[in-house]
Amino acid sequence: TQLLEQSPQFLSIQEGENLTVYCNSSSVFSSLQWYRQEPGEGPVLLVTVVTGGEVKKLKRLTFQFGDARKDSSLHITAAQPGDTGLYLCAGPLSGNTPLVFGKGTRLSVIA
Amino acid sequence: EAGVVQSPRYKIIEKKQPVAFWCNPISGHNTLYWYLQNLGQGPELLIRYENEEAVDDSQLPKDRFSAERLKGVDSTLKIQPAELGDSAVYLCASSLNTYNEQFFGPGTRLTVL
Repeated sequence: TQLLEQSPQFLSIQEGENLTVYCNSSSVFSSLQWYRQEPGEGPVLLVTVVTGGEVKKLKRLTFQFGDARKDSSLHITAAQPGDTGLYLCAGPLSGNTPLVFGKGTRLSVIA
Repeated sequence: EAGVVQSPRYKIIEKKQPVAFWCNPISGHNTLYWYLQNLGQGPELLIRYENEEAVDDSQLPKDRFSAERLKGVDSTLKIQPAELGDSAVYLCASSLNTYNEQFFGPGTRLTVL
């Protein structure tokens, strides 16, 4: 059973389009993190959301943590080819526990 | 500042052979993690160290996998003997402590033939 379900699994869009990817769970997380992983590299942390309902913006990326802290979304405005990569959500179930990762959304932005 | 260093970047071996991966974390980071990432999957934790102590190794297949972090700095992960199903990317990450941001290395891609 996957604790963090990410959707869609794959997404291919044209440059300039907007997109949203989702990270859902039946469990409550104390925080959720979003990573981007490029081929041949390790994941790189983009943002951590901690408070239910929290919205964080990172340039063209908007991250939202659900009110109940069971889900999160990542919205990209005007996607660019440089946004291509595997987007992973992860979170600790509680306190001092290791991160649980979703399977990721593989995004391809075509010029 | 140098990031997390892993070597080798790629390794191809035949089944039943031993293999070892090395990780040098960011200087001053007390916590070190080894993850397994299969194709199309997110990373899965194998073992977590706080300094030289393995505090979470519940997901490490101890019949064939072993790890050590002597002196609480760099770490090695060993598989002996390797099986076909061990083909994957092995990621190392480090953080100041368990609550802080994890920084990942580029990984070692293992292919077992």
